Amino acid sequence: AQRVTQPEKLLSVFKGAPVELKCNYSYSGSPELFWYVQYSRQRLQLLLRHISRESIKGFTADLNKGETSFHLKKPFAQEEDSAMYYCALTRSGNTGKLIFGQGTTLQVKP
Amino acid sequence: DTAVSQTPKYLVTQMGNDKSIKCEQNLGHDTMYWYKQDSKKFLKIMFSYNNKELIINETVPNRFSPKSPDKAHLNLHINSLELGDSAVYFCASSQDLYGANEQFFGPGTRLTVL
Repeated sequence: AQRVTQPEKLLSVFKGAPVELKCNYSYSGSPELFWYVQYSRQRLQLLLRHISRESIKGFTADLNKGETSFHLKKPFAQEEDSAMYYCALTRSGNTGKLIFGQGTTLQVKP
Repeated sequence: DTAVSQTPKYLVTQMGNDKSIKCEQNLGHDTMYWYKQDSKKFLKIMFSYNNKELIINETVPNRFSPKSPDKAHLNLHINSLELGDSAVYFCASSQDLYGANEQFFGPGTRLTVL
């Protein structure tokens, strides 16, 4: 079965500290992995996707097929990074079906 | 200009009532979705439509009936509301069904069933 696991419900760090939000997935085929973010009072939006291999707002995520992980990292957290982060998976091809993890709230303290 | 809009933003109603939530996108996308976010913030897909055709129906009770009059609109009608239907419902759209496409979300509709 396809599943996405985010083991931390809440991650609290101080400004300037490194951040790693964990995401593990279970899928037998070739998945597409994403990170979506929801800032306070804003709608859910795409942060980054593994296929693009990009860095957005200083965040990066590397797909590790051996460990079936797609952890989100940032070397120096900023207060404006405080938000709810969702890891999501879909299978390659034409389905459009996103499977979300439980979400991790990132709290960056001043 | 709003990309994906939902109405209403809040909906409070009694058990047993029937209610509808409307969704519209002005992005010219072919595919639209409904997601349910429960009290623990867990997001789960309910339905997807592509060019007005139902693609995904994730074992949702048949009290939930989506309707897509055209590809820019996907409405959700819920019959005989139950307490467990209380949640935030999100509409989303994407260019097409290709899995790697970004999905654009609406602001959500918070449904409270009393």
